[in-house]
Amino acid sequence: QVQLQESGPGLVKPSETLSLTCSVSGDSINAHYWTWVRQPPGKGLEWIGYIYYSGSTSYNPSLKSRVTISLDTSKNHFSLNLRSVTAADTAVYYCARITAAVAARPFDYWGQGTLVTVSS
Amino acid sequence: DIQMTQSPSSLSASVGDRITITCRASQSISSYVNWYQQRPGKAPKVLIYGASSLESGVPSRFSGSGSGTDFSLTINSLQPEDFATYYCQQSYTTPYTFGQGTKLEIK
Repeated sequence: QVQLQESGPGLVKPSETLSLTCSVSGDSINAHYWTWVRQPPGKGLEWIGYIYYSGSTSYNPSLKSRVTISLDTSKNHFSLNLRSVTAADTAVYYCARITAAVAARPFDYWGQGTLVTVSS
Repeated sequence: DIQMTQSPSSLSASVGDRITITCRASQSISSYVNWYQQRPGKAPKVLIYGASSLESGVPSRFSGSGSGTDFSLTINSLQPEDFATYYCQQSYTTPYTFGQGTKLEIK
């Protein structure tokens, strides 16, 4: 069974870098797309970006200048770095798998989410 | 970016009812729409992909339809566990975008 688990600090200071890791079990990261989605408290879902197992990436233009998503195949995990954070980046951050087996690319497996608060 | 507009934003219904949520895309996206259910404090869960394909393990009371710009999610015979928030999402092109959500509440 595929499982994803986010990890990282729950509190980040303004202007610093938010760093999260998503550990994948039950599947090899050497397949599919791997993505990050966030949800501010009480609000809707925002797609941040994805990385393909080949290493190619796609980012939301609204965050592109501050985001990097990377893969570590040796550890079977992928990571999110979001630079120069502000209070507007406070959200629950989810990692998810985007299956490459289906043309519609659904996000078919999700982590449980981790709340990151930006505050001094 | 492609805008996904859901309606209604909230909906009250009773156990056993049939409900439909609609989603309109700001441009044609073929059948590249997925639907998710999110219960409070939980991650979203995919219900329907490709506008009308039922994800494995999802009850058959859920169905999806549409193509182009207009899509719908229907739930037949609502069960207590169906009261949640539902999101549509387009995967036609990046940036992937979600609708604003429809909160389904018990009447």
